[in-house]
Order: sequence, then structure tokens, then C-alpha cells
Amino acid sequence: QQQVKQSPQSLIVQKGGISIINCAYENTAFDYFPWYQQFPGKGPALLIAIRPDVSEKKEGRFTISFNKSAKQFSLHIMDSQPGDSATYFCAGSGSARQLTFGSGTQLTVLP
Amino acid sequence: KAGVTQTPRYLIKTRGQQVTLSCSPISGHRSVSWYQQTPGQGLQFLFEYFSETQRNKGNFPGRFSGRQFSNSRSEMNVSTLELGDSALYLCASSYQGSDHTEAFFGQGTRLTVV
Repeated sequence: QQQVKQSPQSLIVQKGGISIINCAYENTAFDYFPWYQQFPGKGPALLIAIRPDVSEKKEGRFTISFNKSAKQFSLHIMDSQPGDSATYFCAGSGSARQLTFGSGTQLTVLP
Repeated sequence: KAGVTQTPRYLIKTRGQQVTLSCSPISGHRSVSWYQQTPGQGLQFLFEYFSETQRNKGNFPGRFSGRQFSNSRSEMNVSTLELGDSALYLCASSYQGSDHTEAFFGQGTRLTVV
């Protein structure tokens, strides 16, 4: 019941396009859902996070959409740029404060 | 503000040896968590320390242990290394009051067991 399922595994988008990554969680005790961006040779960096009391959160070109009843959330990257090419991880966390990560999505934005 | 610092960045060890990895959190952060990242298993939680106490532990064998010092710096130790322990070990720090706060990751220590 601790899993977070992430899709797709890889994604190729043209510059200027919209990148969409989806996650589904099972643990209803999760109350914090962050997204991390990881470049090769680097640690994950927090991109944006949401709590289940809101359905959407936007920060610049990045938006999280959250559907509590479906236990799903997604990351939208608007106007995708080659510099966005990285691996993206969704995660969930509950009172135990440990992050349960999805399997990651390797995003490639073509110039 | 300096970020999370992990040392060493790279390590090569022989099967059966033990290894100690170090993590210096962001100044003022009291919580340190450790994660293992592998291509096959992804990012998996090892343990979390807060004010020198282990608050939470993931599903790893007892060969994996850790500790936190009074200055919040943390170390993790892996004894009797196995080939499967080859991974990127990541440390994350956060302020961690009573609510979730942002977790900031270091660049990791790449451990190779031969």
C-alpha cells in the first residue's frame, strides 16, 4: 500500500510543447506530494509540491493537478525547453515523513 | 546558504568490506534522511534521523545503519558489503518541525562494490 506508480517511463516532447507525467498512489495517509527533477550526476531537486486540500498548484511553467478521489496527480510542464530534459520523480509522504518515490520519467525535449 | 554536502562523492569497495558515508545538512536543518538509488529499484528510503534519534527506518537489512550527531551531521554505515549494494546513496535534509517541509538532497555518494 506504499506504492506510487508513475507513467510514462520516458517522454519525448518538442520544444514549446506540453510535457505531462502522471502518478497514482495507494496510501490514503499520504498528505504531501512533491515532484523532483534530477539531472545526471546530481541529486534530486524539489520542483513543486502540493497538499491534498487543493486541486491545482502552479509555479511558473510547472503545474501540479491533484485528484484526491482518484488518488492521482500529474505534473504539467508548459512551453517545454531543452533545459527541462531530465528525470522527473513524483513522491508521496505521510506522517512517517519518508518519501515514497515513483519509478521516474526520463523527459527529453527536442530543440 | 550552503546546500547538503555528501562525502565522498565516489567510493570503490571490495565485497565484504564496510563503508561509512557522511552527510552535512543545510544549516538549521534538524532532519536527515538517507535514500538508496539504483536503476532497478529506483529511490528507496533507508532511514531518517531527527535530533540524533532514528525516527523511521525503511525495509533494508541490519547491515545498513546510521547515526546523527549533535550538530545534525549524519553518517550511514554499510557492513559486509555485497555487490548489490552498489548504488547512489543520497542524503536529504529538512527543517522538519511538526509538519512536512521541503527536503533538499545532496549530490550523493556513488558506491561501487567489486
